Amino acid sequence: DTAVSQTPKYLVTQMGNDKSIKCEQNLGHDTMYWYKQDSKKFLKIMFSYNNKELIINETVPNRFSPKSPDKAHLNLHINSLELGDSAVYFCASSHGIRGSTDTQYFGPGTRLTVL
Amino acid sequence: SQQGEEDPQALSIQEGENATMNCSYKTSINNLQWYRQNSGRGLVHLILIRSNEREKHSGRLRVTLDTSKKSSSLLITASRAADTASYFCALNTGNQFYFGTGTSLTVIP
Repeated sequence: DTAVSQTPKYLVTQMGNDKSIKCEQNLGHDTMYWYKQDSKKFLKIMFSYNNKELIINETVPNRFSPKSPDKAHLNLHINSLELGDSAVYFCASSHGIRGSTDTQYFGPGTRLTVL
Repeated sequence: SQQGEEDPQALSIQEGENATMNCSYKTSINNLQWYRQNSGRGLVHLILIRSNEREKHSGRLRVTLDTSKKSSSLLITASRAADTASYFCALNTGNQFYFGTGTSLTVIP
C-alpha cells in the first residue's frame, strides 16, 4: 500500500495557467507538508498543516494556496503559473508536529514544468 | 542560512569502499536526521540521532553528532552499487525542519 501518494506525477503546463497537485497519506499522521525541490536539489519547505490547520507558511508567493479538507489530504493549488515555478514538489507527512522526534514520509513527487 | 551544508557535494567511490559525508549547521537542534533520495523518487528516512546522542548505528550506517561543532557525519560501510543516491541531512529545530544541500553518492560496481 502506498503510504504517501501524489497526483499527478508529471505536470506540463503553460505560463499563466492554474493547476493543482493532490496529496493523500494513509498513515494516520497528523501533520502534512509541501516541499519544493529545485534543479540543484535544494529542498525547501513551503507549508505545513497539523490536523487541517496551517502551522508553517514560509515565504511563498500567495499564488500558492494549500488546502487541507481533512488530515489525510493536503492539496496545493497554484495560480498564474510562472517559469520559476518549475520544480519537483514533494508532499510529506509525519506523526506529530514540530518538536517531536518524528520522521517524515515523502511522496514520490510531482515534476511541474511550466512552458 | 539555517539549512545544513553538506560536504562533499558529490562523491564517487568503488563498490566495497566506505563513504563518508558530512553535515554542518548553525542553529540549535532537537535531533538530526539523514534521508536518502534515489533519482526521480521521494526522500526516505535512514536514521535519526538526538541532540544528546553522539553516535548511532543502523546496519551499514553509522552516524555521529558533535553539537559543540554543530556537525554530523554519515558513514556507509562496504558500499554497494545500490547505495547510489543523494543523501540529505535534516535538522529538526523544534520549530522547523531544514534540509541540507545534499551529497550525491555514486558507487561504481
